[in-house]
Amino acid sequence: DQQVKQNSPSLSVQEGRISILNCDYTNSMFDYFLWYKKYPAEGPTFLISISSIKDKNEDGRFTVFLNKSAKHLSLHIVPSQPGDSAVYFCAASALGNQFYFGTGTSLTVIP
Amino acid sequence: GAVVSQHPSRVICKSGTSVKIECRSLDFQATTMFWYRQFPKQSLMLMATSNEGSKATYEQGVEKDKFLINHASLTLSTLTVTSAHPEDSSFYICSARYWTGDTEAFFGQGTRLTVV
Repeated sequence: DQQVKQNSPSLSVQEGRISILNCDYTNSMFDYFLWYKKYPAEGPTFLISISSIKDKNEDGRFTVFLNKSAKHLSLHIVPSQPGDSAVYFCAASALGNQFYFGTGTSLTVIP
Repeated sequence: GAVVSQHPSRVICKSGTSVKIECRSLDFQATTMFWYRQFPKQSLMLMATSNEGSKATYEQGVEKDKFLINHASLTLSTLTVTSAHPEDSSFYICSARYWTGDTEAFFGQGTRLTVV
């Protein structure tokens, strides 16, 4: 049972435009969320997190939005750069327990 | 933020040998550490949860005799893949929390294991 879903396996965006990656979850107990970026053959790189007490967290070009009523999480990257091309995973956890990861979205930023 | 260091980042081993992966919390004491594994084109899946000083709790389907987890101190957890086989080739990641129930977690950079 996939508790965290990333329904778009891939996304292509023009350089300089906004990239929006989406994530849906089913467990209303989730209270902490992460976004990770992963290049091929490398480890994941932590990008940004958000706790359920917030609905937005911003760090440079990266902003995460949380809509608890819709159980929806999104990552906005603006402006997108070719170096952002990677696979992005969202993850969620409840009450300090394990993280559940989505299956990832492969982002390609076209120069 | 807190730092979790995972070592090695890549390892290639022969079939039948054992490999140890270390996960260290560098600037905090981690009561709880998690070990995840990622299969190609799939999510990271939890393998086991370890609490300092006690036995690890393994997820269903994970062989505890094959994947030995030791959390001997508040800053170090190790995962040993014993008698490795090619199907154990995967990406392994650890995660650490200050204490059980704490929401925030910190991840290591991962270890790419290739068994030949």
